[in-house]
Amino acid sequence: NAGVTQTPKFRILKIGQSMTLQCTQDMNHNYMYWYRQDPGMGLKLIYYSVGAGITDKGEVPNGYNVSRSTTEDFPLRLELAAPSQTSVYFCASGSLSYNSPLHFGNGTRLTVT
Amino acid sequence: KQEVTQIPAALSVPEGENLVLNCSFTDSAIYNLQWFRQDPGKGLTSLLLIQSSQREQTSGRLNASLDKSSGRSTLYIAASQPGDSATYLCATAGAGGTSYGKLTFGQGTILTVHP
Repeated sequence: NAGVTQTPKFRILKIGQSMTLQCTQDMNHNYMYWYRQDPGMGLKLIYYSVGAGITDKGEVPNGYNVSRSTTEDFPLRLELAAPSQTSVYFCASGSLSYNSPLHFGNGTRLTVT
Repeated sequence: KQEVTQIPAALSVPEGENLVLNCSFTDSAIYNLQWFRQDPGKGLTSLLLIQSSQREQTSGRLNASLDKSSGRSTLYIAASQPGDSATYLCATAGAGGTSYGKLTFGQGTILTVHP
């Protein structure tokens, strides 16, 4: 059981470039989330989705876009990368059903220079 | 807007001590509260989940309690070991209106258990 898979693990971008961080889960979870974690800080919610076709902004959505065309996939798009987007990005999924914890991917470490 | 605060920010204890990590939240309309562990450079691993209707959950040496009315949760670690050294985070899942399913994290408590 793969759980939540994020790709790539590492990426270096130049200012102004764009990229997509991939996230896929095989647990048939309705809820999916993108967080960023800056050094020594907690997790800040970028976007989340409560099901295919439904997305909503989190705390820090500026500079990012998401889509949810299937239950399994929740890609995060960075347009015009900026140094402030240097961070570790985590994707997570869950079902919010009774006693069902959130599952996290291993993260994507992104550096924008 | 939900705000989650964890105290202390860092904790260093000798091996064998029992310890308590604290988590407080401002909006009591939560679906559940979860405690996670994060090792350096790694993702998050779920430790315990407490539904809003529950008061506590236990797993091995870990016990988490929830007092929704006062907006507090505690994580109790018994007989701490060096392998418990990690960052511990709590998160609430919103239950009300536009916050339904939205997960808000605290900043975490960095725990160091020295031999």
